[in-house]
Amino acid sequence: GAVVSQHPSWVICKSGTSVKIECRSLDFQATTMFWYRQFPKQSLMLMATSNEGSKATYEQGVEKDKFLINHASLTLSTLTVTSAHPEDSSFYICGGEANYGYTFGSGTRLTVV
Amino acid sequence: AQSVAQPEDQVNVAEGNPLTVKCTYSVSGNPYLFWYVQYPNRGLQFLLKYITGDNLVKGSYGFEAEFNKSQTSFHLKKPSALVSDSALYFCAVRDMGAGNMLTFGGGTRLMVKP
Repeated sequence: GAVVSQHPSWVICKSGTSVKIECRSLDFQATTMFWYRQFPKQSLMLMATSNEGSKATYEQGVEKDKFLINHASLTLSTLTVTSAHPEDSSFYICGGEANYGYTFGSGTRLTVV
Repeated sequence: AQSVAQPEDQVNVAEGNPLTVKCTYSVSGNPYLFWYVQYPNRGLQFLLKYITGDNLVKGSYGFEAEFNKSQTSFHLKKPSALVSDSALYFCAVRDMGAGNMLTFGGGTRLMVKP
């Protein structure tokens, strides 16, 4: 079946630094990748949709300059949290569409100290 | 706009008993419906989906769900719950008339007690 590999699984960074999260589709081509954010005990909120070879589409309220998304190839999408602050601490999950279904990565737990 | 509602924050059931996790949806077009399970600090695992066809969909780990168009519901069911089924369950919908993004419900925590 379709597999999405997401790295890192967890990361701790200092305030003001940047963190990059990678999402790779291992056995399918993902023209579109979705990035979700999940706060503790809450649902997944769509942050942005990345499109291979073009600009990402951000949901209302998500800062484009803070959450940089790059989708340079059909198998790789990245999310960079720039100038991270403690309020950016969250669980980030990426997912791609394959065969009328959606496959998600294992998630990245980001803690900003 | 598409939306999903999971009216129960938590469902408690005894091991061996049947379980139901409720989900209702709202879309303008035809829905694609999904159920996912999430274990602590893990990603989402696919359970089942409804695209078209038979209203009763069978999925992984003995789970099934019934699509009810008139009630706009897609409840998740299992005839006999296991303690290992305890996890967070998400219902999700894609509106075929509104792009390809998935919208998730708020999640329901299932607690199966021995």
